[in-house]
Amino acid sequence: DTEVTQTPKHLVMGMTNKKSLKCEQHMGHRAMYWYKQKAKKPPELMFVYSYEKLSINESVPSRFSPECPNSSLLNLHLHALQPEDSALYLCASSPQVSGSGRGQNEQFFGPGTRLTVL
Amino acid sequence: EDQVTQSPEALRLQEGESSSLNCSYTVSGLRGLFWYRQDPGKGPEFLFTLYSAGEEKEKERLKATLTKKESFLHITAPKPEDSATYLCAVQGAGSARQLTFGSGTQLTVLP
Repeated sequence: DTEVTQTPKHLVMGMTNKKSLKCEQHMGHRAMYWYKQKAKKPPELMFVYSYEKLSINESVPSRFSPECPNSSLLNLHLHALQPEDSALYLCASSPQVSGSGRGQNEQFFGPGTRLTVL
Repeated sequence: EDQVTQSPEALRLQEGESSSLNCSYTVSGLRGLFWYRQDPGKGPEFLFTLYSAGEEKEKERLKATLTKKESFLHITAPKPEDSATYLCAVQGAGSARQLTFGSGTQLTVLP
Protein backbone atom coordinates (compact mmCIF):
# COMPACT_ATOMS: atom_id res chain seq x y z
CA ASP A 1 0.00 0.00 0.00
CA THR A 2 1.60 3.25 -1.17
CA GLU A 3 -1.21 5.52 -0.08
CA VAL A 4 -0.99 8.80 1.73
CA THR A 5 -4.34 10.25 2.73
CA GLN A 6 -5.16 13.89 3.41
CA THR A 7 -8.22 15.58 4.87
CA PRO A 8 -10.07 17.70 4.07
CA LYS A 9 -9.94 17.76 0.27
CA HIS A 10 -11.08 21.37 0.19
CA LEU A 11 -10.99 24.09 2.84
CA VAL A 12 -12.23 27.66 2.73
CA MET A 13 -11.32 29.85 5.68
CA GLY A 14 -11.31 33.48 6.68
CA MET A 15 -8.20 35.30 7.81
CA THR A 16 -9.22 35.07 11.48
CA ASN A 17 -10.06 31.36 11.47
CA LYS A 18 -8.07 28.50 12.95
CA LYS A 19 -8.11 25.23 11.04
CA SER A 20 -6.01 22.09 10.68
CA LEU A 21 -4.95 19.89 7.80
CA LYS A 22 -4.41 16.20 8.44
CA CYS A 23 -2.22 13.61 6.76
CA GLU A 24 -1.89 9.88 7.40
CA GLN A 25 0.27 7.07 6.05
CA HIS A 26 0.50 3.41 7.01
CA MET A 27 3.59 2.43 5.04
CA GLY A 28 5.88 2.51 8.06
CA HIS A 29 7.68 5.54 6.66
CA ARG A 30 9.74 7.51 9.16
CA ALA A 31 9.90 10.76 7.18
CA MET A 32 6.93 13.02 6.48
CA TYR A 33 6.74 16.31 4.62
CA TRP A 34 4.50 19.31 4.02
CA TYR A 35 4.66 21.07 0.66
CA LYS A 36 2.83 24.09 -0.73
CA GLN A 37 2.03 24.24 -4.44
CA LYS A 38 0.77 27.23 -6.38
CA ALA A 39 -0.83 26.88 -9.81
CA LYS A 40 1.59 25.88 -12.58
CA LYS A 41 4.52 25.78 -10.13
CA PRO A 42 6.37 22.80 -8.65
CA PRO A 43 5.83 21.80 -5.00
CA GLU A 44 7.67 23.99 -2.50
CA LEU A 45 8.98 22.33 0.64
CA MET A 46 7.70 23.71 3.96
CA PHE A 47 8.54 21.22 6.72
CA VAL A 48 10.25 17.85 7.17
CA TYR A 49 9.73 15.45 10.06
CA SER A 50 12.13 12.60 10.68
CA TYR A 51 11.25 10.03 13.33
CA GLU A 52 8.52 12.37 14.58
CA LYS A 53 10.93 15.25 15.14
CA LEU A 54 10.96 18.44 13.07
CA SER A 55 14.19 18.36 11.10
CA ILE A 56 13.66 21.09 8.49
CA ASN A 57 11.62 24.30 8.57
CA GLU A 58 12.08 26.20 5.34
CA SER A 59 11.60 29.62 6.96
CA VAL A 60 7.84 29.19 6.95
CA PRO A 61 5.79 31.95 8.67
CA SER A 62 4.60 31.10 12.17
CA ARG A 63 0.97 31.20 11.06
CA PHE A 64 1.71 27.66 9.84
CA SER A 65 2.38 25.25 12.72
CA PRO A 66 3.21 21.59 12.03
CA GLU A 67 2.68 18.73 14.43
CA CYS A 68 3.58 15.04 14.27
CA PRO A 69 1.56 13.19 16.96
CA ASN A 70 2.96 9.78 15.94
CA SER A 71 4.83 8.09 13.13
CA SER A 72 1.70 7.76 10.97
CA LEU A 73 0.12 11.19 11.40
CA LEU A 74 1.07 14.69 10.41
CA ASN A 75 -0.95 17.83 11.04
CA LEU A 76 -0.62 21.38 9.82
CA HIS A 77 -2.32 23.95 12.02
CA LEU A 78 -3.35 27.18 10.32
CA HIS A 79 -4.04 30.51 12.00
CA ALA A 80 -4.42 34.07 10.74
CA LEU A 81 -3.64 33.16 7.16
CA GLN A 82 -3.42 35.62 4.30
CA PRO A 83 -5.14 35.35 0.89
CA GLU A 84 -1.73 34.68 -0.70
CA ASP A 85 -1.56 31.46 1.34
CA SER A 86 -4.27 30.01 -0.88
CA ALA A 87 -2.71 26.97 -2.58
CA LEU A 88 -2.69 23.18 -2.80
CA TYR A 89 -1.10 21.76 0.35
CA LEU A 90 0.57 18.42 -0.16
CA CYS A 91 1.71 15.86 2.35
CA ALA A 92 4.33 13.27 1.44
CA SER A 93 6.17 10.45 3.14
CA SER A 94 9.31 8.43 2.48
CA PRO A 95 11.03 5.52 4.24
CA GLN A 96 13.85 7.82 5.40
CA VAL A 97 14.83 11.48 5.03
CA SER A 98 18.31 10.74 3.73
CA GLY A 99 18.76 7.01 3.62
CA SER A 100 21.67 5.55 1.70
CA GLY A 101 19.88 2.56 0.24
CA ARG A 102 17.88 2.47 -2.96
CA GLY A 103 14.24 3.33 -2.46
CA GLN A 104 14.85 4.93 0.93
CA ASN A 105 14.21 8.48 -0.23
CA GLU A 106 11.31 7.98 -2.64
CA GLN A 107 8.57 10.37 -1.61
CA PHE A 108 4.92 9.40 -2.02
CA PHE A 109 2.45 12.23 -2.10
CA GLY A 110 -1.12 12.49 -0.90
CA PRO A 111 -3.94 13.98 -3.01
CA GLY A 112 -3.60 17.39 -1.36
CA THR A 113 -5.88 19.87 0.35
CA ARG A 114 -7.07 22.79 -1.77
CA LEU A 115 -7.00 25.78 0.60
CA THR A 116 -8.73 29.06 -0.14
CA VAL A 117 -8.24 31.99 2.24
CA LEU A 118 -10.82 34.74 1.94
CA GLU B 1 23.08 24.53 -5.34
CA ASP B 2 21.13 21.79 -7.12
CA GLN B 3 19.30 22.86 -10.27
CA VAL B 4 16.73 21.16 -12.52
CA THR B 5 15.49 22.45 -15.88
CA GLN B 6 12.72 20.72 -17.77
CA SER B 7 11.89 21.17 -21.44
CA PRO B 8 9.69 21.78 -23.22
CA GLU B 9 7.35 23.67 -20.86
CA ALA B 10 4.37 22.34 -22.81
CA LEU B 11 3.97 19.64 -25.42
CA ARG B 12 0.97 18.73 -27.55
CA LEU B 13 0.96 15.36 -29.27
CA GLN B 14 -1.49 13.47 -31.37
CA GLU B 15 -2.52 10.11 -30.02
CA GLY B 16 0.13 7.58 -31.05
CA GLU B 17 2.80 10.22 -31.71
CA SER B 18 5.85 9.25 -29.64
CA SER B 19 8.10 11.89 -28.09
CA SER B 20 10.50 12.64 -25.23
CA LEU B 21 10.58 15.04 -22.30
CA ASN B 22 13.92 16.37 -21.08
CA CYS B 23 15.20 16.99 -17.56
CA SER B 24 18.64 18.61 -17.31
CA TYR B 25 20.22 18.78 -13.89
CA THR B 26 23.24 19.89 -11.93
CA VAL B 27 23.68 18.32 -8.53
CA SER B 28 26.41 17.70 -6.03
CA GLY B 29 26.49 13.92 -5.67
CA LEU B 30 23.32 12.51 -7.21
CA ARG B 31 21.43 10.31 -4.79
CA GLY B 32 18.42 9.90 -7.03
CA LEU B 33 16.47 11.41 -9.93
CA PHE B 34 12.72 11.09 -9.61
CA TRP B 35 9.92 11.34 -12.15
CA TYR B 36 6.37 12.16 -11.11
CA ARG B 37 3.11 12.57 -12.98
CA GLN B 38 0.63 15.18 -11.71
CA ASP B 39 -2.97 15.58 -12.81
CA PRO B 40 -4.65 18.99 -12.28
CA GLY B 41 -5.58 19.62 -8.65
CA LYS B 42 -4.07 16.33 -7.44
CA GLY B 43 -0.86 15.28 -5.75
CA PRO B 44 2.15 14.06 -7.75
CA GLU B 45 2.12 10.35 -8.53
CA PHE B 46 5.48 8.61 -8.23
CA LEU B 47 6.70 7.02 -11.48
CA PHE B 48 10.42 6.19 -11.37
CA THR B 49 13.68 6.63 -9.52
CA LEU B 50 16.99 6.53 -11.39
CA TYR B 51 20.25 6.35 -9.49
CA SER B 52 23.16 6.17 -11.92
CA ALA B 53 24.04 7.01 -15.52
CA GLY B 54 22.96 4.34 -17.95
CA GLU B 55 20.03 3.21 -15.85
CA GLU B 56 16.64 2.79 -17.54
CA LYS B 57 13.18 2.03 -16.18
CA GLU B 58 9.91 1.30 -17.95
CA LYS B 59 6.24 1.39 -17.05
CA GLU B 60 3.60 0.83 -19.68
CA ARG B 61 4.17 3.49 -22.38
CA LEU B 62 6.80 5.36 -20.35
CA LYS B 63 10.55 4.79 -20.31
CA ALA B 64 12.97 6.87 -18.26
CA THR B 65 16.70 7.07 -18.99
CA LEU B 66 19.58 8.79 -17.21
CA THR B 67 22.92 10.27 -18.20
CA LYS B 68 25.35 12.27 -16.06
CA LYS B 69 23.68 15.54 -17.08
CA GLU B 70 20.11 14.75 -18.05
CA SER B 71 17.20 12.38 -17.97
CA PHE B 72 14.65 11.67 -20.66
CA LEU B 73 11.11 10.45 -20.26
CA HIS B 74 10.17 8.71 -23.49
CA ILE B 75 6.47 8.31 -24.21
CA THR B 76 5.66 5.67 -26.81
CA ALA B 77 2.33 5.76 -28.66
CA PRO B 78 0.71 8.05 -26.06
CA LYS B 79 -2.99 8.02 -25.30
CA PRO B 80 -5.19 10.93 -24.14
CA GLU B 81 -5.08 9.57 -20.60
CA ASP B 82 -1.33 10.24 -20.55
CA SER B 83 -2.12 13.96 -20.51
CA ALA B 84 -0.69 15.44 -17.31
CA THR B 85 2.19 17.50 -16.00
CA TYR B 86 5.39 15.48 -15.64
CA LEU B 87 7.74 16.63 -12.88
CA CYS B 88 11.41 15.76 -12.53
CA ALA B 89 13.25 16.11 -9.22
CA VAL B 90 16.76 15.38 -7.97
CA GLN B 91 18.16 14.63 -4.59
CA GLY B 92 21.78 15.51 -4.01
CA ALA B 93 24.23 14.56 -1.33
CA GLY B 94 24.23 18.04 0.13
CA SER B 95 23.35 18.78 3.72
CA ALA B 96 19.63 19.19 3.12
CA ARG B 97 19.27 16.17 0.82
CA GLN B 98 15.80 17.33 -0.10
CA LEU B 99 14.19 17.19 -3.51
CA THR B 100 14.83 19.96 -6.03
CA PHE B 101 11.99 20.04 -8.57
CA GLY B 102 11.93 21.24 -12.14
CA SER B 103 9.03 23.37 -13.32
CA GLY B 104 7.44 20.46 -15.16
CA THR B 105 6.33 19.67 -18.69
CA GLN B 106 2.61 19.93 -19.37
CA LEU B 107 1.75 17.15 -21.83
CA THR B 108 -1.49 17.15 -23.81
CA VAL B 109 -2.34 14.15 -25.97
CA LEU B 110 -5.08 14.82 -28.48
CA PRO B 111 -7.40 12.03 -29.67
